[in-house]
Order: sequence, then structure tokens, then C-alpha cells
Amino acid sequence: DAKTTQPNSMESNEEEPVHLPCNHSTISGTDYIHWYRQLPSQGPEYVIHGLTSNVNNRMASLAIAEDRKSSTLILHRATLRDAAVYYCILRDGNYGQNFVFGPGTRLSVLP
Amino acid sequence: EAGVAQSPRYKIIEKRQSVAFWCNPISGHATLYWYQQILGQGPKLLIQFQNNGVVDDSQLPKDRFSAERLKGVDSTLKIQPAKLEDSAVYLCASRPNLGGLQETQYFGPGTRLLVL
Repeated sequence: DAKTTQPNSMESNEEEPVHLPCNHSTISGTDYIHWYRQLPSQGPEYVIHGLTSNVNNRMASLAIAEDRKSSTLILHRATLRDAAVYYCILRDGNYGQNFVFGPGTRLSVLP
Repeated sequence: EAGVAQSPRYKIIEKRQSVAFWCNPISGHATLYWYQQILGQGPKLLIQFQNNGVVDDSQLPKDRFSAERLKGVDSTLKIQPAKLEDSAVYLCASRPNLGGLQETQYFGPGTRLLVL
């Protein structure tokens, strides 16, 4: 399975943008980049995913480097509710491999 | 749309006892997963079902863990006998099978197990 590397923890102030990085230097051409987050005492929830182009949805934006060896999840205005563990996961679109979760990044949002 | 339901939410047992967890996926979702999440780690896949058949159980400790999805809807995960290291949150997730390989997984709230 292709591996991802994320910082263990990050801090942000409320209502400021947050950029969560993910390195995936061994990514293959058919690997999709998925982001999930896990709020306290809940199961993970889908945030966003992409292949090559930058992606936007109501929750966040995903910026993918041109060489696809790294990506950044962008929360445009952090709220206290965004405090969670964020997971960056690669999944092969051709072979439908299952998700392999790393330890993720624990995001703290300060009021 | 109702989410993935799991019960119980919490369970405390002594080592060597048995325990079972139940999961009801989102209606119409063909694929069902059981994950184990140890404190401070990401979820680890235990088993994947497609309808009532097992697709992947390579990481399921089969000497003590078993799972079934007899009618292709709800599922049960059992541990017998439990060990201290089985203390974890057990998450169930489901996914529609619409043909796209990048489909989203929907997770339940999990069952928190403590083995004493």
C-alpha cells in the first residue's frame, strides 16, 4: 500500500484558514487521495477526495501538487467543530484497494 | 437517510469472556466493513463483506474473532475469548456499490470495548 506522512498535530485559531499537509512521495498514477476526519467519540467521516486537479466542496478544498507527491487539505475558516483527527489516505482507483488509515493529524482549534 | 447503526455503544468485559457487536448499514449498501481502532491509532480493517460474502478477512484474528452477514444486511462481529489487547473501538462502515471505485465509506459511531 502506498504510504502517507502527516504531522502528528496542528493548532489553529478559530475563523482562520488551516492548511493540513500530506506527503505521499510513492503515489502511483491511479491512486486517489482521500481525506477523512474523525470528531471526538465518532466514526470517521468523508471530507474530500481527488486524483490530479484541485477540488472544492462545501467542507474544504484539496490542493494537489503538480507532481502529486503531496497534497494539502484547506479549511477556509476553522470553527471549534473542526477540531478532529484528519486522515490522508491513498486508494488505487483501478484495483479498489481498501483504505489504510495512518495515525492522522490531530487538529486543535483555539477560540 | 439514516446512518450506520451500531450497538452497544459501550461494553466492559473481563478477559476470556465473549462479546458480540451488531451493525446495521445504510439501506441498500452492499459493502460492509468492520474496523478496529486502538487508542491513538487510525482504524485498521478487520473484514470486508460484499452482500453476504467475505471479500477480505486477511487481518481478522480468526482464532478468536468471527463475523457474519447472513442475509447481506446487518452484521455481527464476535470475539471469543477476549484478551486485554482487544480493548479498542470497533467501527462498522458501509459503502454503496454503484460501480465507482472511489466511493465514500460511511462510518457508524463505533462500539467502545474495554477488556479488564
